[in-house]
Amino acid sequence: GAVVSQHPSRVICKSGTSVKIECRSLDFQATTMFWYRQFPKQSLMLMATSNEGSKATYEQGVEKDKFLINHASLTLSTLTVTSAHPEDSSFYICSASQIRGGNEKLFFGSGTQLSVL
Amino acid sequence: ELKVEQNPLFLSMQEGKNYTIYCNYSTTSDRLYWYRQDPGKSLESLFVLLSNGAVKQEGRLMASLDTKARLSTLHITAAVHDLSATYFCAVDEDSNYQLIWGAGTKLIIKP
Repeated sequence: GAVVSQHPSRVICKSGTSVKIECRSLDFQATTMFWYRQFPKQSLMLMATSNEGSKATYEQGVEKDKFLINHASLTLSTLTVTSAHPEDSSFYICSASQIRGGNEKLFFGSGTQLSVL
Repeated sequence: ELKVEQNPLFLSMQEGKNYTIYCNYSTTSDRLYWYRQDPGKSLESLFVLLSNGAVKQEGRLMASLDTKARLSTLHITAAVHDLSATYFCAVDEDSNYQLIWGAGTKLIIKP
């Protein structure tokens, strides 16, 4: 099946620094990628939808200046958490949409555990 | 606003037993997904249900969708330990892959 690679899997940073998370579709082109956030014992929360070559669409309540999303190519989207604070500590997951034979499926990265000290 | 409710949120059961996880959603949709997540790992797509009455089965898992009742079920038959995981349902309200997620059901199957 299709593979989505997310890197890094775990990052620990100091408060005030910025962290970049990469999401790559390894064997297919993804015109649309999604970024989610998951708090402990809670469901996934969609943060933004990223389309190649255009600005990301952010969900209500998600700060676009805080969570910068870039989708520069059909196989790569990045999420940058700027000036991270402890409340940004969370599990971040990306997904990529694949269309094949008229069918569409979502494939997920393995997630990034962000801990801000 | 679309809401997705999953129950139970936690389920502990013995191997060999049958059980069902329920996923209710609040608005019309004909695209529903079931995912499995093992601790520290990515989500794994289990089923995509695209129409009323859709039923899909793989191994000991069977999923169904009733769009009129706005209900999907994930049925586990003769559970085995390897099925222990957290199961999520998600609904695609606008058919644009912006999914609204249930809270997940943590399933523990005891030998």
